[in-house]
Amino acid sequence: TQLLEQSPQFLSIQEGENLTVYCNSSSVFSSLQWYRQEPGEGPVLLVTVVTGGEVKKLKRLTFQFGDARKDSSLHITAAQPGDTGLYLCAGSGNQFYFGTGTSLTVIP
Amino acid sequence: DAGVIQSPRHEVTEMGQEVTLRCKPISGHNSLFWYRQTMMRGLELLIYFNNNVPIDDSGMPEDRFSAKMPNASFSTLKIQPSEPRDSAVYFCASRRVAGGITDTQYFGPGTRLTVL
Repeated sequence: TQLLEQSPQFLSIQEGENLTVYCNSSSVFSSLQWYRQEPGEGPVLLVTVVTGGEVKKLKRLTFQFGDARKDSSLHITAAQPGDTGLYLCAGSGNQFYFGTGTSLTVIP
Repeated sequence: DAGVIQSPRHEVTEMGQEVTLRCKPISGHNSLFWYRQTMMRGLELLIYFNNNVPIDDSGMPEDRFSAKMPNASFSTLKIQPSEPRDSAVYFCASRRVAGGITDTQYFGPGTRLTVL
């Protein structure tokens, strides 16, 4: 049983399109992190959100933490081929749990 | 900085053999994590250490798996005997926790293990 469910699992879009990835759980987390992983490498932290309702922006990426701190979303505007990778959310509570992952492919 | 160092990067072994994976955390980091990643189960936390002491090993799948951290700069994950279902990419990560503040967790490049 996965504590953090991500959707969609796979996403293939054209360069320039917008997309949103969701991370959902029935559990409350003290913080939530988003990572990006490229083939053959370990995950790299993009952002940490701590406060319910918090919104953080990182260039074309917008991260939102749900009011109840159970879910989060990642929105990418005008996707570029360099955004291709596996996006993972991770929740921090008594332990540290990773989501199921969303594999994004941006086609030039 | 060298980052988290893992060795070997690739390991192919036969069922029943002992496998030892190694990790050198970033200097100054006092927490170390071992993860396993597969297509079916995603990224799973196996065990983590704080100040060289194992804190939570509830993710270790069974007694065939063991992890040690003899000092602040080295950790091993051992599988004995190995089985085909252990095939996965194993990641080590480290971070610094001080004064109630937790820094970012940094991942190593991983060890791709194939058990035939």
